[in-house]
Amino acid sequence: ETGVTQSPTHLIKTRGQQVTLRCSSQSGHNTVSWYQQALGQGPQFIFQYYREEENGRGNFPPRFSGLQFPNYSSELNVNALELDDSALYLCASSLEFRPLHFGNGTRLTVT
Amino acid sequence: TQLLEQSPQFLSIQEGENLTVYCNSSSVFSSLQWYRQEPGEGPVLLVTVVTGGEVKKLKRLTFQFGDARKDSSLHITAAQPGDTGLYLCAGVETSGSRLTFGEGTQLTVNP
Repeated sequence: ETGVTQSPTHLIKTRGQQVTLRCSSQSGHNTVSWYQQALGQGPQFIFQYYREEENGRGNFPPRFSGLQFPNYSSELNVNALELDDSALYLCASSLEFRPLHFGNGTRLTVT
Repeated sequence: TQLLEQSPQFLSIQEGENLTVYCNSSSVFSSLQWYRQEPGEGPVLLVTVVTGGEVKKLKRLTFQFGDARKDSSLHITAAQPGDTGLYLCAGVETSGSRLTFGEGTQLTVNP
C-alpha cells in the first residue's frame, strides 16, 4: 500500500510570497490533517479535512488555508509568508479518525 | 487550552542503560499516543493508550497511562543506538479531529 507522500521535500521562499504544499494521502484514507513543526518543537495542529470539508482548525491565522480534493489528496496554502513560518509542514492521513499516518514533511525556509 | 509537557527535553545515555520519559497533561484526553520521529521523517506511531492505569509493552518499550488519564510514561530497557530519535506524546481529543503534541524528548543512545 502507498504511504503518505508530500511535495516538495524542501522549499525556500521570500517573506511576503505565497506557497502551496501538496499531500497525497494513503490509499483508502479519507481524512487529511496538517501540522506545523518548528525546529526543536512538537507538531502544532493547523487544520483537518474530512471528505473535502474542513473539520477543525488550530490557532493559525486565515492566511493558512487548505483544500481537499475528491481523491482525498490535499493542499496547504500560506499567503504573505513571514519568517516565523519557517518550519517542517507535516501531512497525515487516516480512515475516519483512526491513528494517523504521517508523511515525511516539507521543509519550508522563509528568508 | 490543553497542554502536554514532556520531560526531560534532552537525554543522552550509553547503550544498555534504562530510561524513562514523562508526559504530563493539564487536562484529560480521550486517549494518548506516543510517536518516534527520526531526522528527515514524519512521526511514526508507537502505541495508543486509552484506559487509566493501562500498561502496554512493545519489545523493550513499556508505556503506562496514569489512573487519572492525565499523565503517561515511556520506559526503555537496555537502550540501543537504534532507539535514538525524538519521542513525542500526543493527546487525542474526544472528537478525534486533532492531536495535541508535547515538545518532545530528544534521545541519543551512544554506542
